[in-house]
Amino acid sequence: QVQLVQSGGEVKKPGASVKVSCKASDYTFTNYGVTWVRQAPGQGLEWMGWINGYNGNTNYAQKFQGRVTMTADASTSTAYMEVKSLRTDDTAVYYCGRSQDPTLIDYWGQGTLVTVSS
Amino acid sequence: QSALTQPASVSGSPGQSITISCTGTSSDVGNYNLVSWYRQYPGEAPKLMIYEGSKRPSGVSNRLSGSKSGNTASLTISGLQTEDEADYYCFSYAGDNTLIFGGGTKLTVL
Repeated sequence: QVQLVQSGGEVKKPGASVKVSCKASDYTFTNYGVTWVRQAPGQGLEWMGWINGYNGNTNYAQKFQGRVTMTADASTSTAYMEVKSLRTDDTAVYYCGRSQDPTLIDYWGQGTLVTVSS
Repeated sequence: QSALTQPASVSGSPGQSITISCTGTSSDVGNYNLVSWYRQYPGEAPKLMIYEGSKRPSGVSNRLSGSKSGNTASLTISGLQTEDEADYYCFSYAGDNTLIFGGGTKLTVL
């Protein structure tokens, strides 16, 4: 069945970068997009952006423009999300999800905890 | 852009019905029929429960229904069961390739 498997948790220092991967299986990667959502501890969900699995076009939430880069490798059915210049308030669980359209995330990865601490 | 407004918590007894509201503006909820709802259990990834305002994915109970009036979308759960106890989030297209979540609602089944 459709699965999205994310990379493992990371611990980073402020100012560093982190790159989270999301490997898709059992569907045609280029027929869908991948949405990235994060959730700070005890907080709600926050939309970060979306990448088109077919052509790599991206849309980012305004607050992440310039600091977040989403990429996709169709040859390995893997999406990536990199956050630069990490701050302590970037500590969160980061989720990827398969998107039929931007609001319709029908399958989710298991989440990746990124901890930013000095 | 501010999050869509949801009540922080709602509660109900088994068998009852509850409604969770999601209030936006004429630029997001009111302007598009692209609201989805997600359920999240503690420590788990969210799960899609309603999309395009009122459509249920395969496998989602017909006790859940979605609707919209003006700038407010709503999720109604009828015949409450203990398994419904979770956090619920609305999610809407907001134009200019931007999307926004609600702040989330904790549903307690008493």
